[in-house]
Amino acid sequence: AQSVTQPDIHITVSEGASLELRCNYSYGATPYLFWYVQSPGQGLQLLLKYFSGDTLVQGIKGFEAEFKRSQSSFNLRKPSVHWSDAAEYFCARGNFNKFYFGSGTKLNVKP
Amino acid sequence: DAMVIQNPRYQVTQFGKPVTLSCSQTLNHNVMYWYQQKSSQAPKLLFHYYDKDFNNEADTPDNFQSRRPNTSFCFLDIRSPGLGDAAMYLCATSRVGTGVSYEQYFGPGTRLTVT
Repeated sequence: AQSVTQPDIHITVSEGASLELRCNYSYGATPYLFWYVQSPGQGLQLLLKYFSGDTLVQGIKGFEAEFKRSQSSFNLRKPSVHWSDAAEYFCARGNFNKFYFGSGTKLNVKP
Repeated sequence: DAMVIQNPRYQVTQFGKPVTLSCSQTLNHNVMYWYQQKSSQAPKLLFHYYDKDFNNEADTPDNFQSRRPNTSFCFLDIRSPGLGDAAMYLCATSRVGTGVSYEQYFGPGTRLTVT
């Protein structure tokens, strides 16, 4: 079965520190992969996506993600976190017209 | 700006009293989705429309129904809400077809409270 795993439920980083959120997917074919961010009480906003090509993908708000087929991973990174990045982050895998979401990682940012 | 709009943003209903949530889009996307999201959980797909074709998830309770009268609008009907149906309901859209991107665009959600 297709699945997406986000092993970290909560992460706390200091403002200005670097960030990496982990995402692993199962199922063999080249996936369509996405990262979304959700602020409290809001809908999901697309940060970036990977379909094919360059394995390092740039997104909005200074985020990037790297697709590593050998590790079945699509980790999200940001070199310097801002307090406004505190939110919940969801990794998702698309298959035609359906999405499979990870369970999410809640990011806290310390001043 | 093209967008996905959900109304109302907050809805309070009584136990067992039918309620309808609304979603509209200006993106002209051919697929519309309804998700249920409970606190600190991932969105759970309830069903989606691919054009006019309705696709129900196997574990979606019969209590949940949907209508899509045209490309722009989609409704979620909860026939007899229970306390366990209190959640955030998210509408999303996507354009699915050859040579187009597959990301989903989400509305801001409707927070449903059942009293």
